[in-house]
Amino acid sequence: DPKIIQKPKYLVAVTGSEKILICEQYLGHNAMYWYRQSAKKPLEFMFSYSYQKLMDNQTASSRFQPQSSKKNHLDLQITALKPDDSATYFCASSQDPANTGQLYFGEGSKLTVL
Amino acid sequence: QQKVQQSPESLTVSEGAMASLNCTFSDRSSDNFRWYRQHSGKGLEVLVSIFSDGEKEEGSFTAHLNRASLHVFLHIREPQPSDSALYLCAVSMGTGGYKVVFGSGTRLLVSP
Repeated sequence: DPKIIQKPKYLVAVTGSEKILICEQYLGHNAMYWYRQSAKKPLEFMFSYSYQKLMDNQTASSRFQPQSSKKNHLDLQITALKPDDSATYFCASSQDPANTGQLYFGEGSKLTVL
Repeated sequence: QQKVQQSPESLTVSEGAMASLNCTFSDRSSDNFRWYRQHSGKGLEVLVSIFSDGEKEEGSFTAHLNRASLHVFLHIREPQPSDSALYLCAVSMGTGGYKVVFGSGTRLLVSP
């Protein structure tokens, strides 16, 4: 059974619209992350959260907003979508962000913006 | 800023032949290295982690780290067609805060 659930697996959006990507982890981890993988760039770190608090943000655009309603949830809201936002977004978690523990990844949400 | 590069971009080997993948990094103070595998349409699974110079074996996967030369290698012993996937090198530093930098990957094809 997958321990990190991402929804939806695939989504198509029109330019200018808004979408929310869902992530839940059932590993009991305290840190969660979002990464983005596109055809043009390697897997890129976006955000890290620890105990529901933002630890690091490497995303320049404020159109990307993580939302953590529960310790094991980290959703990603994307507003004013652009075609360049088309990518697969991966949610990940680790036991503790302060150490160098292994990242566990979900299967990704593939976003296509038309 | 940490840079991680992988070579080759793609590699084809015959089933059972050793496959060797290369990863170079730019920050010599890095101390946390992992190899991940990603099958098409799937998430990443960790294969092997290594934290000090030398070798670390996990099943058919062996990582070899040489920080002086800024290289970490992955050797796959007797690969099977099911090992065909994208292999990603991940480098980070355990200095508080947590930021993993990934290479762009080597796409491995194992032919029967």
